[in-house]
Amino acid sequence: NAGVTQTPKFQVLKTGQSMTLQCAQDMNHEYMSWYRQDPGMGLRLIHYSVGAGITDQGEVPNGYNVSRSTTEDFPLRLLSAAPSQTSVYFCASSERETQYFGPGTRLLVL
Amino acid sequence: QKEVEQDPGPLSVPEGAIVSLNCTYSNSAFQYFMWYRQYSRKGPELLMYTYSSGNKEDGRFTAQVDKSSKYISLFIRDSQPSDSATYLCALGSGLDTGRRALTFGSGTRLQVQP
Repeated sequence: NAGVTQTPKFQVLKTGQSMTLQCAQDMNHEYMSWYRQDPGMGLRLIHYSVGAGITDQGEVPNGYNVSRSTTEDFPLRLLSAAPSQTSVYFCASSERETQYFGPGTRLLVL
Repeated sequence: QKEVEQDPGPLSVPEGAIVSLNCTYSNSAFQYFMWYRQYSRKGPELLMYTYSSGNKEDGRFTAQVDKSSKYISLFIRDSQPSDSATYLCALGSGLDTGRRALTFGSGTRLQVQP
């Protein structure tokens, strides 16, 4: 039982490049979410999904896209990276109020 | 004003000390209250959660909620060097709508000196 896994662990992008952050869970949770963590800001919700085929925006959705084709996977896409998207990204899956976080992806946009 | 305010620290205490970590909030719609621990370069892990005002104990950890004052606390007794981490309060809503959003404090970095 791996819990929540994220890849890659670290990525450097140039401004304007695109990439997909991968997230997978093996706990059969319907609810999954993406957060970003910046110094002094705590974690902020980007997008979330209540089940396959259903996604919605969180607090800071601009510049990010998501889709949910299976219960297990919830990728986060950056279509045109900007320096303001330099952050640590965490994926989480939850059963009611208990959210289980992945190890995070550190993203640096130059 | 942020919805959730948390003293960022850092907080440095000797081993065995009692630690008090605090958050205040402004939105009375929050339904549940949580504390996460985050070790350096790791994801947050849930320590405790509660729905109501009062105290909840789990080993050396006690979570306290005062909804009337909009104040939550985490107490750590007999602190250990292994408790050195960043502690995040998180307040939740949307249990009834499905949008289980958590609003996090900015985190308090704790260092327990041996």
